[in-house]
Parts: sequence; C-alpha cells; structure tokens
Amino acid sequence: DTEVTQTPKHLVMGMTNKKSLKCEQHMGHRAMYWYKQKAKKPPELMFVYSYEKLSINESVPSRFSPECPNSSLLNLHLHALQPEDSALYLCASSQEQLTDTQYFGPGTRLTVL
Amino acid sequence: GIQVEQSPPDLILQEGANSTLRCNFSDSVNNLQWFHQNPWGQLINLFYIPSGTKQNGRLSATTVATERYSLLYISSSQTTDSGVYFCAVGGYNFNKFYFGSGTKLNVKP
Repeated sequence: DTEVTQTPKHLVMGMTNKKSLKCEQHMGHRAMYWYKQKAKKPPELMFVYSYEKLSINESVPSRFSPECPNSSLLNLHLHALQPEDSALYLCASSQEQLTDTQYFGPGTRLTVL
Repeated sequence: GIQVEQSPPDLILQEGANSTLRCNFSDSVNNLQWFHQNPWGQLINLFYIPSGTKQNGRLSATTVATERYSLLYISSSQTTDSGVYFCAVGGYNFNKFYFGSGTKLNVKP
C-alpha cells in the first residue's frame, strides 16, 4: 500500500478562522512533508518531519503550525491566514528524509476569503 | 540552491506519438524523481532515478549524473498521459528538495 491520505479535500476559511489539515500514511515511513503549490507553479517545500521531529522549516510564517502526533500522522494548523495563502497543500512521505521515493497525497485545496 | 530547468515548457502530441522531456540541474544530486501531476492535482511518482536507467511500461528514464541531466521518455502516448511532468532533485545535504517548473503535456486523440 503506497497511499497517503489527506483531509479535507477542500477547505474555505476566513482570515480569522482556525483550521487544521490532516495527513496519514501507513507505509512505515519515517519522513513526512508539507508542500504548498500555487496555481501553475511547482510545489514548494514547507516542512519536513523526520522520526516525528521537525527537521526542516523553510522559513514558513508562524500562521502555519505543523504537528506530528505520531509516526503515521501529520497535521498542519492554520490560523489568521491571508488570501495569498490560498493554494493546494500537499502532504508526502518517504522511508527516510530526502533520500528516496516520496509518495504524495491528493492534496487539500485551500481558499482563504 | 540547486537550479532545475525543464524543457520544453509545453508539449502537444498526437495520440501514439513519442516524446522526450529533459531536466537539467546545476549541482550534484543524490535524489532525483520524476512526477506526473494529473489535472486534479495528484502527484504520482514515476521514477526515483538519481543515476542510471529505468523502465516502466511505456515510460523510461535516464539520468547522467556526471553531466547533470535526466531524460524522461514517453512512448506511444495516450490521452491519459496529459498533465504536468515535474523533475525534482535533492542535494547531498539532505535538507532541500527542488522542483523544476514542469513540462505541460497535452495529448490529443
């Protein structure tokens, strides 16, 4: 099973809302990733967790807060977002950090009003 | 950081035609992947190929690490091959992963 799941598929939120994106994998992978993809652009790495610890933060604004409750789950908590944060948010996982195949989830399409 | 350039940016093919997509990168890499992003946004891993040659059905890929490029070959293209093809690379510091700007492929019936 090479499946990464993400919920919700779509999310619309106001600038004062707090919401969370969820990602799950059951492949026993020890690295999990969040990417942001704007329309007609390539994905951009935001965060990497390795062995449940934050390994990489690509200078992402603090209104995005990642969390890795256990080795299978990855959350992205959203608070006080701006309309320019509207994008496709992709989760991925791999056996180890940035050394082998990454498997991506279907993404969450976020719209900030 | 590592610069990743993909060509061509856009490609239109008739069903059944063959094509070659190219990815150039500016530094040594220990990780190179090819992905296909379908119109719904799903990124599908095609190959993990930091060096050498691999084949999977109608698709094959070759990476010449010493010359810093990778090629993705699509043979007998089908309409379902349409979408954006991304090359992505990681360096030996294991703390960055860079996507190219992609090749948008449109296969017409």
